[in-house]
Amino acid sequence: DAGITQSPRYKITETGRQVTLMCHQTWSHSYMFWYRQDLGHGLRLIYYSAAADITDKGEVPDGYVVSRSKTENFPLTLESATRSQTSVYFCASSESVPGELQYFGPGTRLTVT
Amino acid sequence: QQQVKQSPQSLIVQKGGISIINCAYENTAFDYFPWYQQFPGKGPALLIAIRPDVSEKKEGRFTISFNKSAKQFSLHIMDSQPGDSATYFCAASFSSGTYKYIFGTGTRLKVLA
Repeated sequence: DAGITQSPRYKITETGRQVTLMCHQTWSHSYMFWYRQDLGHGLRLIYYSAAADITDKGEVPDGYVVSRSKTENFPLTLESATRSQTSVYFCASSESVPGELQYFGPGTRLTVT
Repeated sequence: QQQVKQSPQSLIVQKGGISIINCAYENTAFDYFPWYQQFPGKGPALLIAIRPDVSEKKEGRFTISFNKSAKQFSLHIMDSQPGDSATYFCAASFSSGTYKYIFGTGTRLKVLA
């Protein structure tokens, strides 16, 4: 199916564990983004990528690592999960420059206990 | 200077009424202002967007009004329907040099049947 998918959709993990959230898009969009959504904060950019092997920090990058070895995949890793990283994570992709951020994935709800 | 302030936090409107959501920004370098609609359990979806060279943009029942001098923009939903019940986010970004979007904190709209 065409589109942008995220996995898992729900995840519960313990403090200190490493967690990887996956994002896959089938449009071959150049730009991909990771956001977290928290009540009272809206959406905050964690990392973004302009192309394969090109990534840059967003507003709240601490505690997260990204990679982009292939255009269609943009995994987000929490190296040592903390309770403050409990959130809903959205991946997004954009085709054009400037980034008209049109396509969001369905989200991953992560709970860190 | 990077904030986008959105109000109200929640809004209840009767079916057929007009829903108005406001956003204000500080950084005059922003030049792209999208609105996103998000239904529960889904990712945000681009609804309508405007650039500061126009004062108004209309798509169906949705209109963005833009006041450059006041650094404010608003979303008007005419003839609001129960199916419009969702959370709405405004955002601001720069169209060159960076792909960082600043989102408002969201407005939860409920349209009563």
